[in-house]
Amino acid sequence: NAGVTQTPKFQVLKTGQSMTLQCAQDMNHEYMSWYRQDPGMGLRLIHYSVGAGITDQGEVPNGYNVSRSTTEDFPLRLLSAAPSQTSVYFCASSVEFGQGAGGYTFGSGTRLTVV
Amino acid sequence: SQKIEQNSEALNIQEGKTATLTCNYTNYSPAYLQWYRQDPGRGPVFLLLIRENEKEKRKERLKVTFDTTLKQSLFHITASQPADSATYLCALERGRQLTFGSGTQLTVLP
Repeated sequence: NAGVTQTPKFQVLKTGQSMTLQCAQDMNHEYMSWYRQDPGMGLRLIHYSVGAGITDQGEVPNGYNVSRSTTEDFPLRLLSAAPSQTSVYFCASSVEFGQGAGGYTFGSGTRLTVV
Repeated sequence: SQKIEQNSEALNIQEGKTATLTCNYTNYSPAYLQWYRQDPGRGPVFLLLIRENEKEKRKERLKVTFDTTLKQSLFHITASQPADSATYLCALERGRQLTFGSGTQLTVLP
């Protein structure tokens, strides 16, 4: 049981480049989300999905796109990277949101640097 | 605006003592409150969840309280050990979003 798998673990981008951060879970969780973590700012929600084909914006969605074509995968796309997007990105999943069913399972993170 | 504050950025305690971490919130009516542990370079790990109609929840050496009148949760680690050293995050769940505090870094000194 792998849990939540994020790739890559590290990435350096040049300003203006695009890329996709991958997230996959093998727990059949309906709810998946993306957070970014910056020093002193805590975890901030970027986008989330309550099931395949359904996505919605979180607190800081600008500059990011998501899609959810399968239950297992929830990729995060950076459209045109900016230095302000330098951060550690975490993907998380949960059995079912809003029912107090349990906590989130987080991936190990992707450390992204935009130069 | 909604705000979550965790008592201090860093807390040092002696091994064997009880660590108490505080999570205060404003402009929220959370249905659930969660606590996570995060080690350097790793993702957060879920510890405990408490519902708005529950006063207290325990798990081994961990205890969480939730006071919706005071808008506060307390997180206790009894008989603390150096291995408990980590950053602890509280998170509030309402609607379809889970919002995190910035965390308290706990160091347990041997």
